[in-house]
Amino acid sequence: GDSVTQMEGPVTLSEEAFLTINCTYTATGYPSLFWYVQYPGEGLQLLLKATKADDKGSNKGFEATYRKETTSFHLEKGSVQVSDSAVYFCALSSSGNTGKLIFGQGTTLQVKP
Amino acid sequence: EAEVAQSPRYKITEKSQAVAFWCDPISGHATLYWYRQILGQGPELLVQFQDESVVDDSQLPKDRFSAERLKGVDSTLKIQPAELGDSAMYLCASSHTGGRNTEAFFGQGTRLTVV
Repeated sequence: GDSVTQMEGPVTLSEEAFLTINCTYTATGYPSLFWYVQYPGEGLQLLLKATKADDKGSNKGFEATYRKETTSFHLEKGSVQVSDSAVYFCALSSSGNTGKLIFGQGTTLQVKP
Repeated sequence: EAEVAQSPRYKITEKSQAVAFWCDPISGHATLYWYRQILGQGPELLVQFQDESVVDDSQLPKDRFSAERLKGVDSTLKIQPAELGDSAMYLCASSHTGGRNTEAFFGQGTRLTVV
């Protein structure tokens, strides 16, 4: 079945450091790919998405490129801030076109001043 | 800004008791999802509604869990009887329509602790 694998956390970085969170997936067909973020005490929010191969999603300085050949959707940011501290979830839309999301296990990011 | 409303935010219940969670999706959203998020894991879909109809309940433990969306608007998820392993965050989400490209909007969740 469809699945998503994320790099394990927690990831601890200093402010202004470069961020990469790895995400790989297994899916039948051509899923859409998403990154959701969960700030402390809040619900999940969509950070960015890509709907087809080679698409790049971007938002708030974060980027991720849909790589079909490596089945990856790695999240990157050039310079993290303390306010980026949160849990990040990679997800795919399952086959069947219902909108059902398959999530990775989440990666906790802590940014220190 | 429109939000998905969930209540209660926190619930503590004893094993074998009944518990219910409520969700009010964003107005006009036809699709409603209930996800369960166990600590340290990603959310997993329990049930999906399109209007008042169940689209997917393949992962819903139907011997103890039930869900309804009677008028195609708000929804209730019930557990009876609760078990220790049900302790988790229960997330409700909604989208304008289902579909692989559609953004789902999540509520803040209900954190259930079964003691």
